[in-house]
Amino acid sequence: DQQVKQNSPSLSVQEGRISILNCDYTNSMFDYFLWYKKYPAEGPTFLISISSIKDKNEDGRFTVFLNKSAKHLSLHIVPSQPGDSAVYFCAASTEDSNYQLIWGAGTKLIIKP
Amino acid sequence: ETGVTQTPRHLVMGMTNKKSLKCEQHLGHNAMYWYKQSAKKPLELMFVYSLEERVENNSVPSRFSPECPNSSHLFLHLHTLQPEDSALYLCASSQGRTSGANVLTFGAGSRLTVL
Repeated sequence: DQQVKQNSPSLSVQEGRISILNCDYTNSMFDYFLWYKKYPAEGPTFLISISSIKDKNEDGRFTVFLNKSAKHLSLHIVPSQPGDSAVYFCAASTEDSNYQLIWGAGTKLIIKP
Repeated sequence: ETGVTQTPRHLVMGMTNKKSLKCEQHLGHNAMYWYKQSAKKPLELMFVYSLEERVENNSVPSRFSPECPNSSHLFLHLHTLQPEDSALYLCASSQGRTSGANVLTFGAGSRLTVL
């Protein structure tokens, strides 16, 4: 059973508009959530994270929102740019999980010019 | 060289072959990881080494054998693989545990095809 789910395999957004990528989780013990971005033929790169004690974290055009009661987090990209076209992975961990990160299956974001 | 470097980038092997994947990190990190990525599936953690000691081994079949000779190098030795082992194998490193802001830096991956 997947503890971290990204239910949208792909998402298409017009350039300049807002992109919203969603992630749901089942384990209420998760302490940290991270988003990674992956371009073809490259490894994933870290984008932004949020601690479970916060409900929002912002870094430039990227904002992550956490709704603990709904066990849901989302990544907002405003405004969307062509270079944002990539696969986005949501991942989660607990404070005592040693080296384990629990990953979602990814959402492919396509930014249309 | 900077970051995490993986070689080879592509590998095709038969089920009876023996081959190795190599990873090198130039970041001074003390933990290194092997992940498997299959199409449309979450990344699967295979092995973790911290300060050259294996600290995680996620029920990986014995046909995959990791080796960490020092904190900068990590190998994945492959033998008698199955076609279902075809996947992208990603190496990563981190400064320590993955909790909090301790994030992973990934290599570009080795695309493995088993015939």
